[in-house]
Amino acid sequence: GQNIDQPTEMTATEGAIVQINCTYQTSGFNGLFWYQQHAGEAPTFLSYNVLDGLEEKGRFSSFLSRSKGYSYLLLKELQMKDSASYLCAVMDSNYQLIWGAGTKLIIKP
Amino acid sequence: GAVVSQHPSWVICKSGTSVKIECRSLDFQATTMFWYRQFPKQSLMLMATSNEGSKATYEQGVEKDKFLINHASLTLSTLTVTSAHPEDSSFYICSARDGGDHYEQYFGPGTRLTVT
Repeated sequence: GQNIDQPTEMTATEGAIVQINCTYQTSGFNGLFWYQQHAGEAPTFLSYNVLDGLEEKGRFSSFLSRSKGYSYLLLKELQMKDSASYLCAVMDSNYQLIWGAGTKLIIKP
Repeated sequence: GAVVSQHPSWVICKSGTSVKIECRSLDFQATTMFWYRQFPKQSLMLMATSNEGSKATYEQGVEKDKFLINHASLTLSTLTVTSAHPEDSSFYICSARDGGDHYEQYFGPGTRLTVT
């Protein structure tokens, strides 16, 4: 079966760095996405990785290792507005998105 | 660019009535649209995938006669929840993908449905 695993909840301090991990097992692979979702709102796109390595975009970076079925989202210089759920999703061989359950990130002052 | 709208943003209806939710791609042609449902503190659950001009493909466990999906044009898809019950109360989100772009889905803002 297809499976995406990520931690349920994480807590970090304002100004610090946090890494959210995601492991996956899917039928085929056409890329991995990270989305941010604030409570009561739709997801917003953060990053897309299809090749191994690190993609940096401002305070957010995303890493992919296809051989290990592993990705992480790295958030630097955390701000209170970064409190949200972070969803990992993998596009399978049929170009369908398989979603993880999301990681709720709590930022404390 | 790549804006998707949903209407209404929230709706309250009585048990037994039907509710229609519209999803529109405002600045691109969406050959494929997706309908998701999200219960509180849970992740997105794909309900169905619809391609313009053809019948929607429903995920296992989703009743096609209860959740009617129409994708009549390249910019509009509708989801009708028929004979709604309180357990249908949820956050419904649509997303759209254009014909030339295999990977990114653009999400609408979602519709909060409450059935009393």
